[in-house]
Amino acid sequence: KNEVEQSPQNLTAQEGEFITINCSYSVGISALHWLQQHPGGGIVSLFMLSSGKKKHGRLIATINIQEKHSSLHITASHPRDSAVYICAVREGAQKLVFGQGTRLTINP
Amino acid sequence: DAGVIQSPRHEVTEMGQEVTLRCKPISGHNSLFWYRQTMMRGLELLIYFNNNVPIDDSGMPEDRFSAKMPNASFSTLKIQPSEPRDSAVYFCASSTSGRLNEQFFGPGTRLTVL
Repeated sequence: KNEVEQSPQNLTAQEGEFITINCSYSVGISALHWLQQHPGGGIVSLFMLSSGKKKHGRLIATINIQEKHSSLHITASHPRDSAVYICAVREGAQKLVFGQGTRLTINP
Repeated sequence: DAGVIQSPRHEVTEMGQEVTLRCKPISGHNSLFWYRQTMMRGLELLIYFNNNVPIDDSGMPEDRFSAKMPNASFSTLKIQPSEPRDSAVYFCASSTSGRLNEQFFGPGTRLTVL
């Protein structure tokens, strides 16, 4: 079974700062997902990637398959980015194994 | 599209009672997933279906839990009898089948067992 580790567990930053959240996993995967969970509880998929890098607005996700590591970056962070960010790895066809999440707080 | 629909959004029940959680996937999606989220264990996959057939139920904690998908537009997760340790948020998600397809999550059902 895959072990998915995220760091840091909690992160507090000032508005405008560059944010990096890391995810490491132990076993080969078919894809990696980054999810966002807002204080209201809803979960939104941000990225799904199996190689390289993806960008959407101020969010960038990268993955290094050889090192079994992925990072989620947020540029010019804003208080509305405050949420829990969850890394999930896909084992086999569809099964997801989740990290414990990183709680991000952006202060104005 | 209304997205994945779950009901009820909140459920409070007493230990020993039967609980049924419901999910309507996005139309056209043929994979459906049930997840549980707790503070201690985070998000965990309970079971998933492809084309209404259960594929992997290894995450179902014990025989008190059962899930069905009688048709492509409806699934239930039942707990009988419920216990306080079942208190959690239960999410349903759906996707089209395939190795690189995104999952869309419902709003979740917050279950409290007293």
